[in-house]
Amino acid sequence: DAGVIQSPRHEVTEMGQEVTLRCKPISGHDYLFWYRQTMMRGLELLIYFNNNVPIDDSGMPEDRFSAKMPNASFSTLKIQPSEPRDSAVYFCASSLDRFRTDTQYFGPGTRLTVL
Amino acid sequence: AQSVAQPEDQVNVAEGNPLTVKCTYSVSGNPYLFWYVQYPNRGLQFLLKYITGDNLVKGSYGFEAEFNKSQTSFHLKKPSALVSDSALYFCAVRDIRDDKIIFGKGTRLHILP
Repeated sequence: DAGVIQSPRHEVTEMGQEVTLRCKPISGHDYLFWYRQTMMRGLELLIYFNNNVPIDDSGMPEDRFSAKMPNASFSTLKIQPSEPRDSAVYFCASSLDRFRTDTQYFGPGTRLTVL
Repeated sequence: AQSVAQPEDQVNVAEGNPLTVKCTYSVSGNPYLFWYVQYPNRGLQFLLKYITGDNLVKGSYGFEAEFNKSQTSFHLKKPSALVSDSALYFCAVRDIRDDKIIFGKGTRLHILP
């Protein structure tokens, strides 16, 4: 398996623009997580899905952020409109059913810069 | 609420010496505990986990961690550090009552040649 795939790897945009980050989890994994990593706040869980259904989005910072998982092999994280304080590395991770294992497999991340 | 603390932002160790990266946790139920490592410009990689059983857990790259229930700690250890161990290390905890894994802020490990 190729592991968790994220695109793009780098994104530079201007304030006010819409940004869409994409993730393909490992095939067969039931859980998908979106994280944000910054120097100031460390690694923050934004939202996670189980079997394509959002379970907990309490980490989403505000209404400008939205996430979808239309099928088991694809998820998006959208920021509209983007702001400079959204600049961070965004990670997607997936894991198997938690009753079998809790190990999360992380993608390489998307480095977002909002000017 | 469940939480995990990594009291050291940075740890410096000479190559060949033993290393310890500290982690303490707070959960209401039985903890699931994890260590992850992040190399520059990469995502986090799983190192090891404690679910139940033996308090000493062995993981990847020669790392091990000791679960101590009375001290609510799960320190990461390695007998002999390598320069290639230099990275950012995250401790994480999961309360089995919900599905969230909470990560610590990370500890940057520098192995000095």
